[in-house]
Amino acid sequence: GNSVTQMEGPVTLSEEAFLTINCTYTATGYPSLFWYVQYPGEGLQLLLKATKADDKGSNKGFEATYRKETTSFHLEKGSVQVSDSAVYFCALSIVVTGGGNKLTFGTGTQLKVEL
Amino acid sequence: GAVVSQHPSWVICKSGTSVKIECRSLDFQATTMFWYRQFPKQSLMLMATSNEGSKATYEQGVEKDKFLINHASLTLSTLTVTSAHPEDSSFYICSARDNLEQYFGPGTRLTVT
Repeated sequence: GNSVTQMEGPVTLSEEAFLTINCTYTATGYPSLFWYVQYPGEGLQLLLKATKADDKGSNKGFEATYRKETTSFHLEKGSVQVSDSAVYFCALSIVVTGGGNKLTFGTGTQLKVEL
Repeated sequence: GAVVSQHPSWVICKSGTSVKIECRSLDFQATTMFWYRQFPKQSLMLMATSNEGSKATYEQGVEKDKFLINHASLTLSTLTVTSAHPEDSSFYICSARDNLEQYFGPGTRLTVT
């Protein structure tokens, strides 16, 4: 079946540090890959996505590259801010029989950025 | 961006009672809504997919008679947990799809005592 594995948290960084959150996936077919972010008290928001191999998704200084050869979609940011503190979810989406698609999520990684 | 709301944000109920959770798409019409359940430090697990005006499609292992889903309009879906038990305590999250993107509600924390 389809699954997503991401590094456990919490990840604690100082402001302006480099961020990497690892994500690997297992899927049949050709999934689209996503990173969602959940700020305290809010719903999940789409951060970035990539729909095919070698695509790079980017938004708000975050980026992730769809690596088919390593089945990975690691999230990176060159310089984190306190406002980036949140829970980050890696997810994949694949078209299901009958149409439509279904999201499969990783367990989420909590990021804490300190001054 | 599109906004999805949930009500209530948290609820405590006694074992054996039923609880209804509402999910609304505030500024768009959603033909498809999804209900997820999240346990601490675990990923979101899809419970069911509901399409407006038709019966919900439940994931394997989810009891459709226990988790009643109604999607009567393009902006409202409800999840009713019937005869709740402590093991139903969890964080329930809804999502609504607008074209190809899903938008998520803030979640509802259910505690059954």
